[in-house]
Amino acid sequence: DADVTQTPRNRITKTGKRIMLECSQTKGHDRMYWYRQDPGLGLRLIYYSFDVKDINKGEISDGYSVSRQAQAKFSLSLESAIPNQTALYFCATSDKGQGKTEAFFGQGTRLTVV
Amino acid sequence: GEDVEQSLFLSVREGDSSVINCTYTDSSSTYLYWYKQEPGAGLQLLTYIFSNMDMKQDQRLTVLLNKKDKHLSLRIADTQTGDSAIYFCAERPGGYNKLIFGAGTRLAVHP
Repeated sequence: DADVTQTPRNRITKTGKRIMLECSQTKGHDRMYWYRQDPGLGLRLIYYSFDVKDINKGEISDGYSVSRQAQAKFSLSLESAIPNQTALYFCATSDKGQGKTEAFFGQGTRLTVV
Repeated sequence: GEDVEQSLFLSVREGDSSVINCTYTDSSSTYLYWYKQEPGAGLQLLTYIFSNMDMKQDQRLTVLLNKKDKHLSLRIADTQTGDSAIYFCAERPGGYNKLIFGAGTRLAVHP
């Protein structure tokens, strides 16, 4: 079983609809992240959470919200989806050590907004 | 500011060496990373280097770090078709537990 699981893997939704992407992890990590990947732009950080009570905006948080329901769960919501939110979304986790801090990624959710 | 740049595409012949380059801007970065993304999959950590090192070798992989120029490179020796993937350079700015990624370099290996 994957350590970081994202659901759904693929989703097509209409403009204006609300959609939630879910992420769960079995790594026992405190820190969780949501990134979006666009061709030629790499990964950009949307939101990150260092523990259940700590939520922080990333570089492109507008139009998104998140909820950290438990240590193992971090969901990303698009309140009113728009076509330029079509992208590949990745959830990631990391521990809180001061060392190399490896990030572990889910397999991604491909979201298409039509 | 935080910015990581890398070229978008590299094509090499099977058996040759591949060199993927990256530049970063944050001189406080403590760790620099190379992640690999295979088709349809998430990113996986390939290797990393601590900022007080110049070079790190791990089997076919060699990472070179030039802190003065803020330049990082990944050399893959004897490149194989299985090495075809997107390679992301990432920095971890000092004091922050988040990663800043480059746009990714798509490596294509041809016979």
